[in-house]
Amino acid sequence: KAGVTQTPRYLIKTRGQQVTLSCSPISGHRSVSWYQQTPGQGLQFLFEYFSETQRNKGNFPGRFSGRQFSNSRSEMNVSTLELGDSALYLCASSLTGVEETQYFGPGTRLLVL
Amino acid sequence: AQKITQTQPGMFVQEKEAVTLDCTYDTSDPSYGLFWYKQPSSGEMIFLIYQGSYDQQNATEGRYSLNFQKARKSANLVISASQLGDSAMYFCAMRESLDRGSTLGRLYFGRGTQLTVWP
Repeated sequence: KAGVTQTPRYLIKTRGQQVTLSCSPISGHRSVSWYQQTPGQGLQFLFEYFSETQRNKGNFPGRFSGRQFSNSRSEMNVSTLELGDSALYLCASSLTGVEETQYFGPGTRLLVL
Repeated sequence: AQKITQTQPGMFVQEKEAVTLDCTYDTSDPSYGLFWYKQPSSGEMIFLIYQGSYDQQNATEGRYSLNFQKARKSANLVISASQLGDSAMYFCAMRESLDRGSTLGRLYFGRGTQLTVWP
């Protein structure tokens, strides 16, 4: 079974631009979560999607948004990029249930100049 | 309050020796899951082992075992017979329900422990 895939793997943008990151979950997984990882803040939760609906949201500004499609694929968008948005963005998918493991993709490394 | 606390920023262990990475958690939810992930320098988060809050026995997966002490709210990872390839950042994480009765829930991560295995 194929793992979680994320595209693109690397991205360089300038301040003020916007970016869209994509995540394809493991087949059969309907829950998709996004996390931001930076050296200073560690791993921070962005959002969780299930059945095309955002079910949970972390403490991020409205510039961060996402969506999930009917095939469970998910995208996240960051508008008006800031230097502090430079990070590793990780997507994870799982079956439902707190006992279910979230499996992570390879991540997208975003550098904002 | 921190949901997950990892007090060891860095640990060193010699090849073939065992090492314990500490993790304590905080929750009032009776149902939760505890996870350990490994993150090599490539960045990918690799799942290692899971322990459920209702599990009576400690989880084991190959060279990994989880020392679960529920009353003390600790979930330490033990790696036996360390290998050079074990050098990486290790994260403890907890998943609890979004709300009562929900089957959804985010992961809370600790700050991680950087493990270095030397020959």
